[in-house]
Amino acid sequence: GNSVTQMEGPVTLSEEAFLTINCTYTATGYPSLFWYVQYPGEGLQLLLKATKADDKGSNKGFEATYRKETTSFHLEKGSVQVSDSAVYFCALSSNDYKLSFGAGTTVTVRA
Amino acid sequence: DGGITQSPKYLFRKEGQNVTLSCEQNLNHDAMYWYRQDPGQGLRLIYYSQIVNDFQKGDIAEGYSVSREKKESFPLTVTSAQKNPTAFYLCASSISYGGIISNTGELFFGEGSRLTVL
Repeated sequence: GNSVTQMEGPVTLSEEAFLTINCTYTATGYPSLFWYVQYPGEGLQLLLKATKADDKGSNKGFEATYRKETTSFHLEKGSVQVSDSAVYFCALSSNDYKLSFGAGTTVTVRA
Repeated sequence: DGGITQSPKYLFRKEGQNVTLSCEQNLNHDAMYWYRQDPGQGLRLIYYSQIVNDFQKGDIAEGYSVSREKKESFPLTVTSAQKNPTAFYLCASSISYGGIISNTGELFFGEGSRLTVL
């Protein structure tokens, strides 16, 4: 079946540091890949997505590239801000209705 | 503004009681979902509905029930049969086309309801 594995947190960074959150997946067919973000006390929001191999999703300074050869979709940001403190979820959808989510990575950015 | 509204935001329940969590959307989406979020476990799908008057079990449906009498509404009842109901519950919706849920994967989430069993 489909599954997503993302790096465990929590991750604590200083402002302007480089952030990477690793995500790898197992899936049948040709999944679409997503990163969702959950700010404190809120629901999830779509951060970025990629629907086919070698696509790069980007939004708010975050980027992730769909790597079929390594079954990965790592999230990166070059210079984080305090406002980026949140929980980040990697997810995939395959040929049915379901989104499979990773366990989430808590990121805290200190001023 | 369009969106998803969940209520209540916080709910306390005594053991043995059923409780119902409300989810309303004005996005005109056909598909709606209920997820459960536990620390360190990500989101797990409880139930989903592709269209009015139809719904399907997700991965952890035991101890839960739903109804979909209106397009806008998808309430979740946590029954006394749910052994470990304390959790954060998230409702979501998405576009579907003729009952086939879009594979673009974008779900729109409510702000969640936190249920605590005393």
